[in-house]
This record gives sequence, structure tokens and C-alpha cells, in this order.
Amino acid sequence: AQSVAQPEDQVNVAEGNPLTVKCTYSVSGNPYLFWYVQYPNRGLQFLLKYITGDNLVKGSYGFEAEFNKSQTSFHLKKPSALVSDSALYFCAVSNDYKLSFGAGTTVTVRA
Amino acid sequence: EAQVTQNPRYLITVTGKKLTVTCSQNMNHEYMSWYRQDPGLGLRQIYYSMNVEVTDKGDVPEGYKVSRKEKRNFPLILESPSPNQTSLYFCASSSRLAGGIGELFFGEGSRLTVL
Repeated sequence: AQSVAQPEDQVNVAEGNPLTVKCTYSVSGNPYLFWYVQYPNRGLQFLLKYITGDNLVKGSYGFEAEFNKSQTSFHLKKPSALVSDSALYFCAVSNDYKLSFGAGTTVTVRA
Repeated sequence: EAQVTQNPRYLITVTGKKLTVTCSQNMNHEYMSWYRQDPGLGLRQIYYSMNVEVTDKGDVPEGYKVSRKEKRNFPLILESPSPNQTSLYFCASSSRLAGGIGELFFGEGSRLTVL
């Protein structure tokens, strides 16, 4: 069975500060890893994915994530957060064609 | 415009009254799937389909049915809805990659309330 853990329900940061949203996973085989974002009252949007290759993945809106196989982690990062980054963030893992999401982390960026 | 379209967007129904939520994509994607979103639980996969006439259970399939008769459509059927199926539902599609799926394109969501 595969699973995803997002240990923080909420992350609060000041605008301009670095933002990190944590994700750890459990899966057999080589994982496909994803981050998605959900803005208030809207659907979900793809941010970035890791399939293979460079452990540092760059995605949309200035976000990046680092795949760490030994720690089974895939943390999302942004060097300088914006108020508009306030949203609900989901980490997801896929092995074969089944996809599992974490419970989500609410990010609030204060001005 | 590439999109995934779900209908209805909002629905209030009563226990036991069969309903269908339609989902259609225009990107020629092989992979389609359904999720429900509940507070504190994130998104949980209900069913997925890797191609026409190929469907499989996700993590929470009980009480739901799906079919994939055409590549573009993947309806979700609740034969006898119950209040615990009150939730926000998302349909999504993706291209298939070797060994897995690519990025998901989501519909706008369907908010279902079962009284």
C-alpha cells in the first residue's frame, strides 16, 4: 500500500520569507511524486512532478521541490513567499496507476 | 481550450435516489479518475480508468460505480446515495507515461449533498 503524510496542517509565513511545505511518502518501487495547489473556491492545479533524474524539480509560480530517496521526502519550497501563495497544498504519490494524496497543508502568507 | 468538464456542479438529493455525475475531457487522455475531497482527509481516489473499458478501484470505491465506454467520458454513478457520500467530487484526466501517469488536469468540482 502507498501513502503520503503532510505533517503540518497549517504553515504561516510572512511575505518575502522562505516557504517550506513538508511531505513524506511510503511506496514500493520507484515513485512518481506530485504537488498540487487549490486556491479558495477553485479546482486543483498542478505545480510540479518528479519522475526521474535531477532530485531538484522546478515548477510553476517559482516553486521547487527536492526529492530525497533516503528520507522518502518530497518537500515543496519557495525562496520568497507572496500573499497570493496562500492556498491549500497537496502532495501526491503514484505507483503504477494508483494515486494517493496527502491530507493537505493550508499555507497562509501574511503581508 | 483543454479542459475537464463536470456536471452538475452543485446537487442536493435525498437518500436512495440514483444520480450520475458526468465527466468529459477534450485532451484525448487515456487516464481518467474520480476523487472525493473531505476536510482533514485530503483527496481520496474512488475509481480510475487506464483506457476504454478498463477501470479499477481506488481507495474508497464502496457505493460508487463508473464506466468508460468512450475515451472522453467517465461518469460517476451513485446507485443509492447515502448521507456519508456528501462531499466535493473531482474528476481528473492525464496522459499515461511508462510506468505511471503524468500531471492531472482537474475539473471544477461537483458539490454533492445527500439528505
